Amino acid sequence: GDSVTQMEGPVTLSEEACLTINCTYTATGYPSLFWYVQYPGEGLQLLLKATKADDKGSNKGFEATYRKETTSFHLEKGSVQVSDSAVYFCALSNYGGSQGNLIFGKGTKLSVKP
Amino acid sequence: DADVTQTPRNRITKTGKRIMLECSQTKGHDRMYWYRQDPGLGLRLIYYSFDVKDINKGEISDGYSVSRQAQAKFSLSLESAIPNQTALYFCATSDEDGLGTQYFGPGTRLLVL
Repeated sequence: GDSVTQMEGPVTLSEEACLTINCTYTATGYPSLFWYVQYPGEGLQLLLKATKADDKGSNKGFEATYRKETTSFHLEKGSVQVSDSAVYFCALSNYGGSQGNLIFGKGTKLSVKP
Repeated sequence: DADVTQTPRNRITKTGKRIMLECSQTKGHDRMYWYRQDPGLGLRLIYYSFDVKDINKGEISDGYSVSRQAQAKFSLSLESAIPNQTALYFCATSDEDGLGTQYFGPGTRLLVL
């Protein structure tokens, strides 16, 4: 079945450091790919998404490119801030395979130190 | 006001008790979902509903039941709570565009003693 694998955390960075969180997926067909973010004590919020190969999603300085050849959707940011501290979830939605349900990775906790 | 609300936000109950978690949405979406979040396991789907008359089991439905009272309301019940149902529970909604974007409530933290 469909699945998502993302790098395990926790990840601790200093402010202004570069961030990469790896995410790879297994799916039939052509899934949509997502990054969700969960700030402490809150629900998940959509951070960015990409719906087809080579699309780049971006938001709040974060970017991820849908790479079908490597089945990857790595999250990147050039300069992290303390306010980026959160748990990040990679997810896919495969309308053909999973009827539009989201399949989540296990999450990566990011802590950014001043 | 929040688009997806959940009540209660926190709940402590005892083993064997019946408990209901409620979710309401004002986004006008037909699709609603219940997930549980456990540390290190991500989110796992319990039940989902594509409209009032369509309810489906998810990955981990055993021990849970749901009711879709209206387009805007989707309740999750634990008929006889057990300690390993201690978790953070999220409700979510989505529209029918097939692209999968879901909108989450703030979560209900449940502790079963």
